[in-house]
Amino acid sequence: DQQVKQNSPSLSVQEGRISILNCDYTNSMFDYFLWYKKYPAEGPTFLISISSIKDKNEDGRFTVFLNKSAKHLSLHIVPSQPGDSAVYFCAAFTSGTYKYIFGTGTRLKVLA
Amino acid sequence: AAGVIQSPRHLIKEKRETATLKCYPIPRHDTVYWYQQGPGQDPQFLISFYEKMQSDKGSIPDRFSAQQFSDYHSELNMSSLELGDSALYFCASSSGLAGSTYNEQFFGPGTRLTVL
Repeated sequence: DQQVKQNSPSLSVQEGRISILNCDYTNSMFDYFLWYKKYPAEGPTFLISISSIKDKNEDGRFTVFLNKSAKHLSLHIVPSQPGDSAVYFCAAFTSGTYKYIFGTGTRLKVLA
Repeated sequence: AAGVIQSPRHLIKEKRETATLKCYPIPRHDTVYWYQQGPGQDPQFLISFYEKMQSDKGSIPDRFSAQQFSDYHSELNMSSLELGDSALYFCASSSGLAGSTYNEQFFGPGTRLTVL
């Protein structure tokens, strides 16, 4: 049972435009959501997070939106840059557990 | 800044052999997590340790075992290796009680295990 889903396996965006990566979840107990960026053969690196009590968090070019009623979150990257090309994972976490649940990842390609 | 260290970075083994993967968490981090990522798959949680005790268990095969030592480093031992064990194995560390407060996980670079 996939509790965290990223339904778009890949996304291509022109440099300078907005990249929107989506993530859906099923477990209403998740407290925190995070986005990780991963280059091939490297470990995931943390990008941005959001608590379930918020609906938006912004950090530079990255903004995460959370819609709890829809159990949906999205990551916006504006403007997109070629160096943003990577696989993006959303992950969810519940207080009281010792693990993150990862989505299946979306491969973003930013075209120069 | 110090990061999570994993060794070896690459490992090639034959079927039915054993392998040991090591993880050295960020200094003062007391929680270690192990993930397995197969080709084209998302990271799957295997097992975690807090203060040298197993804290949670995921989809870890019985052929695998792990422990966290007094210096907080952790080792993942894999026996009777199968072709399907070929994957990237990530270790992550965090500090504090994950159950009481949000703690970001910092990931190591991964160990790529290839089973021939």
